Amino acid sequence: GESVGLHLPTLSVQEGDNSIINCAYSNSASDYFIWYKQESGKGPQFIIDIRSNMDKRQGQRVTVLLNKTVKHLSLQIAATQPGDSAVYFCAENIGNTGNQFYFGTGTSLTVIP
Amino acid sequence: GAVVSQHPSRVICKSGTSVKIECRSLDFQATTMFWYRQFPKQSLMLMATSNEGSKATYEQGVEKDKFLINHASLTLSTLTVTSAHPEDSSFYICSALAGGRGTGELFFGEGSRLTVL
Repeated sequence: GESVGLHLPTLSVQEGDNSIINCAYSNSASDYFIWYKQESGKGPQFIIDIRSNMDKRQGQRVTVLLNKTVKHLSLQIAATQPGDSAVYFCAENIGNTGNQFYFGTGTSLTVIP
Repeated sequence: GAVVSQHPSRVICKSGTSVKIECRSLDFQATTMFWYRQFPKQSLMLMATSNEGSKATYEQGVEKDKFLINHASLTLSTLTVTSAHPEDSSFYICSALAGGRGTGELFFGEGSRLTVL
């Protein structure tokens, strides 16, 4: 697999604040990225994806930013809620190697009420 | 939305026995499914790519004789952990791609927690 790492293993934020979760990837051939949320004892849930021909993509309360120059990805969660507490992973797909996705280390987000 | 189901969700077995985990796509066909392994407080590690009608593709370092994968239909892939040992205890998660690469979503099952005594 390829190296996909996260800068911060844990993050605590106050309810209502914005959260930013970062991810670094190492393979410049990666061209499709997905952010997942995983709650304890469950499988990952799709949050948002982005292709390498985009710099930014917005969803409901979430925004993903992609900086291909420095191979960096971030997930921004607006108005963080207690239900957002979970582990967040970024996953990358390398353009010419099929449908495999490789996951980063993960960041545990805790929202303080 | 697309649903991927895993069974069993939890299994406990004795060392030396084999355990089969099923992964089903419930409302879509998946020619390709993926098996991941996750240790506590760690990330998901891709083990293998399960291809319908052909042999699975294993990631480097994953023993194909230890983790047997069969993808007999467009909606079912199975992972068999053969001669399980305590170090095989882990959370095994499958996923299936709905739609083509870059256009569809990768849906995950709820995981199967294996405990080998």
